[in-house]
Amino acid sequence: DTGVSQNPRHKITKRGQNVTFRCDPISEHNRLYWYRQTLGQGPEFLTYFQNEAQLEKSRLLSDRFSAERPKGSFSTLEIQRTEQGDSAMYLCASSPVRGLSYNEQFFGPGTRLTVL
Amino acid sequence: QKEVEQNSGPLSVPEGAIASLNCTYSDRGSQSFFWYRQYSGKSPELIMFIYSNGDKEDGRFTAQLNKASQYVSLLIRDSQPSDSATYLCAVIPFGANNLFFGTGTRLTVIP
Repeated sequence: DTGVSQNPRHKITKRGQNVTFRCDPISEHNRLYWYRQTLGQGPEFLTYFQNEAQLEKSRLLSDRFSAERPKGSFSTLEIQRTEQGDSAMYLCASSPVRGLSYNEQFFGPGTRLTVL
Repeated sequence: QKEVEQNSGPLSVPEGAIASLNCTYSDRGSQSFFWYRQYSGKSPELIMFIYSNGDKEDGRFTAQLNKASQYVSLLIRDSQPSDSATYLCAVIPFGANNLFFGTGTRLTVIP
C-alpha cells in the first residue's frame, strides 16, 4: 500500500496524559500536513512541513502540541497534558512539492483520540 | 465570515438522479479548489480538483468553478447508494499552502 499511513488508528487516554501519533506520507511527497477534525466539522489545519522544515503553524496549535519531521520522511504529533477538548480525529495528509499534482493533498486514515 | 461555506444538508436524492452540491468561498484570490468525499468514520478522499473557470468532468462527477461569483459546485450524475457520504469542499486561498474546508454536505442516495 503506497498511501499515507497513520498509527495508532485509535487512542484512548486519560486527561493529563501525553500522546504521540505517527504519520508516514506517500514516499515521493515532500509536503506533510496535520489537520484536526471534530464531529460535524471539516478538517482544520494544524501545521505543515516541507521536507524536515516546519513552515507554518496554525494558532490552533497550542503550546501543548508539537510536531516533528526529523528526517523529512515520517512525522510525529505530540499532545502534552491532554484535555477533553483534544478529543478529535487527527488527520495527516501529504502532497508533492512540484508537478501537476503539487496542490493535491491525500489523507491518511486518521488517528481518533478520545480523552477521558 | 468563514473561508468556505457549504449547505450542511442533508441532501437526499433518488438513485439515478443528479446530485448537486454547492460551495462558496471568501478569498477572491483563491486558485485551487477541491472536493473530498468522506464516509462515516473514515478520512476524506480526494475525488475532484479544479483550477480554472468552467467545468471539469471525471466519470460521473463534474466540478464547476465560477471565480467571478466565488462559487464551486459538484454534480454527481446517475447517483448510486454508494455515493451516500459527506462531501467536503476545500479551497487553498492565495498565499496559503493548507486547505480550508467547509463543514460538508451530507448526501443520501435513496435506492
